[in-house]
Amino acid sequence: DQQVKQNSPSLSVQEGRISILNCDYTNSMFDYFLWYKKYPAEGPTFLISISSIKDKNEDGRFTVFLNKSAKHLSLHIVPSQPGDSAVYFCAAIKWGQLTFGSGTQLTVLP
Amino acid sequence: EAGVAQSPRYKIIEKRQSVAFWCNPISGHATLYWYQQILGQGPKLLIQFQNNGVVDDSQLPKDRFSAERLKGVDSTLKIQPAKLEDSAVYLCASSELAGFYNEQFFGPGTRLTVL
Repeated sequence: DQQVKQNSPSLSVQEGRISILNCDYTNSMFDYFLWYKKYPAEGPTFLISISSIKDKNEDGRFTVFLNKSAKHLSLHIVPSQPGDSAVYFCAAIKWGQLTFGSGTQLTVLP
Repeated sequence: EAGVAQSPRYKIIEKRQSVAFWCNPISGHATLYWYQQILGQGPKLLIQFQNNGVVDDSQLPKDRFSAERLKGVDSTLKIQPAKLEDSAVYLCASSELAGFYNEQFFGPGTRLTVL
């Protein structure tokens, strides 16, 4: 039972352009949604979060949008930089526990 | 501030052997988590500790996996005996508290290969 789904295993974007990573969920009881970034041989690091009562949260180049009716969230990175190349995990919290999606490998081409 | 430490970073064993992983969380963090990340999947929670007590171990395969957190600080995760499908990265994370929303900080993980 995959409660959090990332249907795109990979995404390639040109440097300076917008990267859009998508995530769908099935459980309407999630309290918060988060994005984590993971480089090879490192643990995931927290990037940005959004409460289930909000529809947008912005932090510098990163913006997360939440569409509760569609049970969909997305992460926008503008402008994309080569250092953004990593695996991005969508995650959701219920009762303090994280449920992760399967990740999207973002490659930003110079 | 030191991050979450894990050792070893890599381990190769044969099936039916035993293996143990160690985690030292961020100082002062009461909650500790062990995750299993199989290649191509997201991390999956195995067990959650609050201080030295178990909060949730519902996804821990208890016939072969065990974990402890002595004195509410360091933790060890053991697999005995290992199976081929246990090949994965084992991630340890810690947070100040459990509850509604607390940021989890992850260690670099231990990559286990079972032959």
